[in-house]
Amino acid sequence: GQQVMQIPQYQHVQEGEDFTTYCNSSTTLSNIQWYKQRPGGHPVFLIQLVKSGEVKKQKRLTFQFGEAKKNSSLHITATQTTDVGTYFCAGRGDNFNKFYFGSGTKLNVKP
Amino acid sequence: DGGITQSPKYLFRKEGQNVTLSCEQNLNHDAMYWYRQDPGQGLRLIYYSQIVNDFQKGDIAEGYSVSREKKESFPLTVTSAQKNPTAFYLCASSIDIREKLFFGSGTQLSVL
Repeated sequence: GQQVMQIPQYQHVQEGEDFTTYCNSSTTLSNIQWYKQRPGGHPVFLIQLVKSGEVKKQKRLTFQFGEAKKNSSLHITATQTTDVGTYFCAGRGDNFNKFYFGSGTKLNVKP
Repeated sequence: DGGITQSPKYLFRKEGQNVTLSCEQNLNHDAMYWYRQDPGQGLRLIYYSQIVNDFQKGDIAEGYSVSREKKESFPLTVTSAQKNPTAFYLCASSIDIREKLFFGSGTQLSVL
């Protein structure tokens, strides 16, 4: 079945360092969404990417959708302690009508 | 996020018992979902519903049942057939199946 693979599983950074998480799909995605889950909380929607090669920015966060629409990345510049949490991607393919979540990347930021 | 209410926050199940998790939304969303989250893992889809009186199995539906008799309500029953029910259960809704998900605050289910 459809799988969305996400790496790394964990990332520990010093405050001020950059962070990147990657999602890869075996099939072409129609769109991809990114969510953030704070410790003890629930996932909160960050952004949706639809177009091939699309790049969107939200302050220190940069989201990219690959040209082939099979991969995506989230990059955080100069991490802060408020960035702590687990980041999930969720991809939806052309031939299925639901989103498949990646396993998430848990980010820890040391002050 | 506001608009989706899950209850209870914590729930304990005895052996052989069925338990029901509540999910209510006032966002007027057509689609609703149930996900299971195990420690350190991603979200796995149990059931989803695109419209009232209709629902489909997700990837791990065995041992679970749902109903969608009202647009705003999508309760999940964890039956005794689910042998490993301990997990964090998240309900979500969206305008339709293609749009962003709004999650409830979750229910932590444990086995006594």
